Amino acid sequence: AQSVTQLGSHVSVSEGALVLLRCNYSSSVPPYLFWYVQYPNQGLQLLLKYTSAATLVKGINGFEAEFKKSETSFHLTKPSAHMSDAAEYFCAVSVAQGSYIPTFGRGTSLIVHP
Amino acid sequence: ETGVTQTPRHLVMGMTNKKSLKCEQHLGHNAMYWYKQSAKKPLELMFVYNFKEQTENNSVPSRFSPECPNSSHLFLHLHTLQPEDSALYLCASSQEQSPYGYTFGSGTRLTVV
Repeated sequence: AQSVTQLGSHVSVSEGALVLLRCNYSSSVPPYLFWYVQYPNQGLQLLLKYTSAATLVKGINGFEAEFKKSETSFHLTKPSAHMSDAAEYFCAVSVAQGSYIPTFGRGTSLIVHP
Repeated sequence: ETGVTQTPRHLVMGMTNKKSLKCEQHLGHNAMYWYKQSAKKPLELMFVYNFKEQTENNSVPSRFSPECPNSSHLFLHLHTLQPEDSALYLCASSQEQSPYGYTFGSGTRLTVV
């Protein structure tokens, strides 16, 4: 079975600073990896996905993530945080054998200070 | 209208009430899902429907009853709920058997009193 671990339930950054949200996965077969964002009182929105093409994936709102097989990681980054980036971020992994049903991490709350 | 639409956005119900949550998707997807999101808990998958057939039921109590009349609509019928059932209920859809991710609705915030 696959799993994901998001390191840090809360990450706090200043506006304009680098954003780094960590995600490590476990899977016995090649994984598909996702980052979702959830704003207050909203559903989850797909930020970006890795589906075995380029290892550096660019998503919406200036976010990107890099798939590193040797480190079993898929960390999310953004060069410069904006106040509007404050939200909950979820990493997820899915595999073909599981009908692609994703396993979600517990989420990381991003706090952006002015 | 596009995307995944959930109604109502907020619902307060007593433990003896019967209510239903509705989800509608306009994306041409053929798989739909119900998730429960509680504070300080991971996202919980409740039910999966592929081509209107239920393919997964993750040990959900019988007081939650899903219905999928067609590939575009999904309902969650609620009866005799408990206060611990208060949560955000999210509907999602996807192309079945595809790794392209899910599209989620905005959710129904349910409070059981």
